[in-house]
Amino acid sequence: DTEVTQTPKHLVMGMTNKKSLKCEQHMGHRAMYWYKQKAKKPPELMFVYSYEKLSINESVPSRFSPECPNSSLLNLHLHALQPEDSALYLCASSPRSSGGAREQFFGPGTRLTVL
Amino acid sequence: KQEVTQIPAALSVPEGENLVLNCSFTDSAIYNLQWFRQDPGKGLTSLLLIQSSQREQTSGRLNASLDKSSGRSTLYIAASQPGDSATYLCAPYTGTASKLTFGTGTRLQVTL
Repeated sequence: DTEVTQTPKHLVMGMTNKKSLKCEQHMGHRAMYWYKQKAKKPPELMFVYSYEKLSINESVPSRFSPECPNSSLLNLHLHALQPEDSALYLCASSPRSSGGAREQFFGPGTRLTVL
Repeated sequence: KQEVTQIPAALSVPEGENLVLNCSFTDSAIYNLQWFRQDPGKGLTSLLLIQSSQREQTSGRLNASLDKSSGRSTLYIAASQPGDSATYLCAPYTGTASKLTFGTGTRLQVTL
């Protein structure tokens, strides 16, 4: 299995809702990432997990709460979002090495719309 | 802070042409650089990873070069096809920031 899967593909939520995005990989990768991509812009890093521990938080608002329950799963919990949070949310994974990053593999993304 | 620029922003070519996409970055302290393609509304597909110690990397009709000291990478696409139409993104991995920084992208259209 050489892919990263994300569910759901599309999500519409109100500003008072609580929802979660899910990401899964079975490549044995020990680094997993969340990115946010607005229309016609490049992806921006949100969070990095390394060996199931949060290693990078790019000053993301607390209404986004990541979780890595095991080495194959990554969740992004959403609460009290704003319309400007509407975007494509991408998950990625990579093997971990001591010398830096290896190739990152991306999932298909979740298209989030906040009403 | 790493800044990545891609030129041109958009490109339209007839099928069969060879083409070059350019990527420049300001911080040369990189571990590697990845080239991705992205179809509209889709995720990113990794095309090539070139390590900082490498000068070139090839995969099929694609060839990426890296000149780390001058902060430049190019992606060469040979014999372009309509299926190559997509946005191409370069992303160097910077050690100091421990992350990929994406370029602004080149939107490619290959016409019949």
